[in-house]
Order: sequence, then structure tokens, then C-alpha cells
Amino acid sequence: GQNIDQPTEMTATEGAIVQINCTYQTSGFNGLFWYQQHAGEAPTFLSYNVLDGLEEKGRFSSFLSRSKGYSYLLLKELQMKDSASYLCAASTDSWGKFQFGAGTQVVVTP
Amino acid sequence: GAVVSQHPSRVICKSGTSVKIECRSLDFQATTMFWYRQFPKQSLMLMATSNEGSKATYEQGVEKDKFLINHASLTLSTLTVTSAHPEDSSFYICSARAATSYEQYFGPGTRLTVT
Repeated sequence: GQNIDQPTEMTATEGAIVQINCTYQTSGFNGLFWYQQHAGEAPTFLSYNVLDGLEEKGRFSSFLSRSKGYSYLLLKELQMKDSASYLCAASTDSWGKFQFGAGTQVVVTP
Repeated sequence: GAVVSQHPSRVICKSGTSVKIECRSLDFQATTMFWYRQFPKQSLMLMATSNEGSKATYEQGVEKDKFLINHASLTLSTLTVTSAHPEDSSFYICSARAATSYEQYFGPGTRLTVT
């Protein structure tokens, strides 16, 4: 079956770093995507890994280990506006169908 | 990045009526579009995958006769919720991808309320 696991909630202070882990078990795999979603809004793309290693995009970085079925999203220099749900999604077939994790709610405190 | 629009953004309808939601890719050709629904504090649940010019593929448990999907062109897909009931009230989100990438671009979502 398909399974994507990520923590439910994380809390961190402004200016800190937070790492959101995601483990996956899927029958097919084309890549691992991270999206940010604020309440009542659509997800916005943050980062994407298809090969092992680290992808850095400004304050956001994402890491993938295909052999371990593991990814993480690193958020640096946290800002209050980073309070949101972060969704881990594995692309699982030739059509690019996503299997989403349940989302990690990140709460940034002053 | 690529832009996907959805219309309407909010709709309130009476039980038993049908509602159509449009999803458009504005600056790229979407070979595949996806329809999701999301309940409060939950993740996105895929309803169906739609390829241009062919029938949609529905996920297990999603009634194809209730949720009609049409993908008539490379830039437009529609979802029609037929004979809507209060339990169909949800946030419906579409996404689109081009042939060149597995990235999905999400529309802004449609909040459906059935009274």
C-alpha cells in the first residue's frame, strides 16, 4: 500500500530552525514534493527532490534518501508568516499522481 | 511559476442541485489535471485524475456518477457535483501538471457549501 508519514505539529520560535521529517512507502516513485498551505488557501510549491541529496532554496531546503524512503524539509530563520501546514507528497505513477501526507502544522511563536 | 485558476472561489447551493467548478491552466498546457477535496484540518484527498480527451480515473470510494469530470482541452477541466448534499460541503482544489514535469500547480480552491 501507499503510506506517507509526517509529524502532526511542531512549534518553534521566530528566528529558529525547524526540520520536518517525512517517511514514505509507495509502490512507485518519481520524486518527493513539499508544499506550504495556509488555512483556507491552496498549497504552494516549496521544494522538490528526485535524486538523493539536498536541495537549497533560500530559507527552505529539502533532503531525500531514496534507499531509506526518507525526506526532510528544513526551514531556517523562521518568521511568523511561516506558521502554516507543510505537506509532504510523493509522486507515484506515470501520470504524476501525488500521495500526500497528513500535513505538519508548524506554529511559530515570538 | 505556472498559474492555475479556479472558478467560482465560493459557492452556496441548495441540497439536490448541481454545481460546476472550472479549473484552468492559464499559461501552460496541462496534460493531466487532478481534483482533490479537503475537509477542515485534514490533508488533501485525491478524487480523480483527468487526462485531456480521455475519461477520468477515479479513486476508490469516489462516485463517478456524482462527481462528473470533463477535461475537454489542454487548459480546462470541470468538476460537476451532481445532486449535492450537505455532506458534499468541502474545499475542492484542482491541480495541473505539464508533460515536462511532475510538479503540480494548484488552483486557489473552491469552497462549496450545500444547505
